[in-house]
Amino acid sequence: GAGVSQSPRYKVAKRGQDVALRCDPISGHVSLFWYQQALGQGPEFLTYFQNEAQLDKSGLPSDRFFAERPEGSVSTLKIQRTQQEDSAVYLCASSLAEARAHEQYFGPGTRLTVT
Amino acid sequence: SQQGEEDPQALSIQEGENATMNCSYKTSINNLQWYRQNSGRGLVHLILIRSNEREKHSGRLRVTLDTSKKSSSLLITASRAADTASYFCATDEGDMRFGAGTRLTVKP
Repeated sequence: GAGVSQSPRYKVAKRGQDVALRCDPISGHVSLFWYQQALGQGPEFLTYFQNEAQLDKSGLPSDRFFAERPEGSVSTLKIQRTQQEDSAVYLCASSLAEARAHEQYFGPGTRLTVT
Repeated sequence: SQQGEEDPQALSIQEGENATMNCSYKTSINNLQWYRQNSGRGLVHLILIRSNEREKHSGRLRVTLDTSKKSSSLLITASRAADTASYFCATDEGDMRFGAGTRLTVKP
């Protein structure tokens, strides 16, 4: 079946622009995660949804970052007034289980470059 | 902040050799997972080991967990060029925390 998909795969934004990154999780997966991965580093947790409820947003680096999953399936990560330090790959992952610490299925990521 | 710390940061071996990567973590965990990431792609789950398990196998992969030392190791036997990737451990301290990874290069 289809895996986790993300769009766009690449995004170039000028500093100060708003961006929206989309994640389509595997159908039926309850949990959805967003991560930020800088070059040469491991993924850094941003936020976690269980169905439509955002249970943890402790990893969001600033109030310019906002995530939603209104119907418990597709999720959007929005970054307002982008800064150069926001340049990274943004990974989305979904999991069948409600608990966080289970196997996660990752999308290919969106590479964001802020110029 | 990242929870797992992989060691070494980079490893280069010849095809056919075994590769061992280590992961250390700081707090108590319920389970630990290993993931692989090929260049420019998302992560792929390899194996999950629970805190009450000491060793787990999956194909050419062998994972050990020592909760007293707060460490885990991933052994890839008979490596192949296709194993070239970055390998990450992740722990379930509240949410998923990944280390910076070990970059493995397997030379044909």
